[in-house]
Amino acid sequence: DAGITQSPRYKITETGRQVTLMCHQTWSHSYMFWYRQDLGHGLRLIYYSAAADITDKGEVPDGYVVSRSKTENFPLTLESATRSQTSVYFCASSDSSGSPGELFFGEGSRLTVL
Amino acid sequence: AQSVTQLDSQVPVFEEAPVELRCNYSSSVSVYLFWYVQYPNQGLQLLLKYLSGSTLVESINGFEAEFNKSQTSFHLRKPSVHISDTAEYFCAVSARRTGTASKLTFGTGTRLQVTL
Repeated sequence: DAGITQSPRYKITETGRQVTLMCHQTWSHSYMFWYRQDLGHGLRLIYYSAAADITDKGEVPDGYVVSRSKTENFPLTLESATRSQTSVYFCASSDSSGSPGELFFGEGSRLTVL
Repeated sequence: AQSVTQLDSQVPVFEEAPVELRCNYSSSVSVYLFWYVQYPNQGLQLLLKYLSGSTLVESINGFEAEFNKSQTSFHLRKPSVHISDTAEYFCAVSARRTGTASKLTFGTGTRLQVTL
């Protein structure tokens, strides 16, 4: 199906382990984003990408790594997970030629770090 | 940088009653403004947006928001809510600049709980 998909939807891991959250979109949108959602904080931008091989930090990038070798994929890696990274992670995409600010979100990946 | 304040974390309301969800923003540059809605266990969806022109914008399901530049506000209103409007609502802002228009800053969200 067309759209934006995230995997896994649910993940439990332990402190110190590496975790990668996957994001795939089928629209060939140029922009892709990773947000985390926490109670009392709303959504905070972790990293974003304007195109393949172009990434930039958002508001809360520490402890995260991203890459974008292909337009359709934007994986988010936690190199050494910490309890504070327990959160719901949302990937989103947007078309640079489309309406400004119209982001299309995935269904989220709920990560628990024990 | 931009910031968004949603003062009400929860708004309980009876079905068919009117509702207003408040949003104030701060920015040193001109902005675009948005309201997104999140239904349980789903991602966010764009509800409505202000880009330019008329300061009153409407959604297809009866919500409206008015951009008030002097008060730096973008409150969301609906004259009569339905049970199905129960969701989390997020106000968001982005700078009116090429390359940053889709880099949104979100508020902390307001949970609208509609009951019979």
